[in-house]
Amino acid sequence: KAGVTQTPRYLIKTRGQQVTLSCSPISGHRSVSWYQQTPGQGLQFLFEYFSETQRNKGNFPGRFSGRQFSNSRSEMNVSTLELGDSALYLCASKRSGAPGELFFGEGSRLTVL
Amino acid sequence: AQKVTQAQTEISVVEKEDVTLDCVYETRDTTYYLFWYKQPPSGELVFLIRRNSFDEQNEISGRYSWNFQKSTSSFNFTITASQVVDSAVYFCALSDARGGGKLIFGQGTELSVKP
Repeated sequence: KAGVTQTPRYLIKTRGQQVTLSCSPISGHRSVSWYQQTPGQGLQFLFEYFSETQRNKGNFPGRFSGRQFSNSRSEMNVSTLELGDSALYLCASKRSGAPGELFFGEGSRLTVL
Repeated sequence: AQKVTQAQTEISVVEKEDVTLDCVYETRDTTYYLFWYKQPPSGELVFLIRRNSFDEQNEISGRYSWNFQKSTSSFNFTITASQVVDSAVYFCALSDARGGGKLIFGQGTELSVKP
């Protein structure tokens, strides 16, 4: 069974640009969550999608947005990039009936210059 | 507000030593879930265990054991006879009763097991 796939794995952007990250969950998993991981703030929850609906949202500015498609694949977008957005962005999928049991991808490492 | 504290930032042990990773949590909820995740040097976070707030039984899985004590709001993780492959960052996490994808993670404890 294929795991959670995130693309791209690495990317470099400059301040003010925008970026879109993609996540393909494990087949059959309808919940997709996104996390930001930085050395200073650790792992912080961004948002969760289930059946194309945002089910939960973390405490991030509106520049961070996401969506989920009918095949459960998800994208997150960050607009007007700031230096502080440099981080590892992790996507995780979850099957129904397994509280909090997240399967994480390898992440997309974003560097903002 | 929910919060998870892992006071130990880094721990270094020699192979075959036992090691305990501490986790203290804060929540006003009466029903919640606690978790441990492992992030090896390769980077992918891996789920280890889930505990719900009504189940205070200790759990043992091979060399791993977990001690959940509601009275002290702690959920500690012990590795017995540590091995080099146990080297990783370990995260304790908390979620509300819905058990969705929103977890509150602690800052993590980096465990280094030396041969």
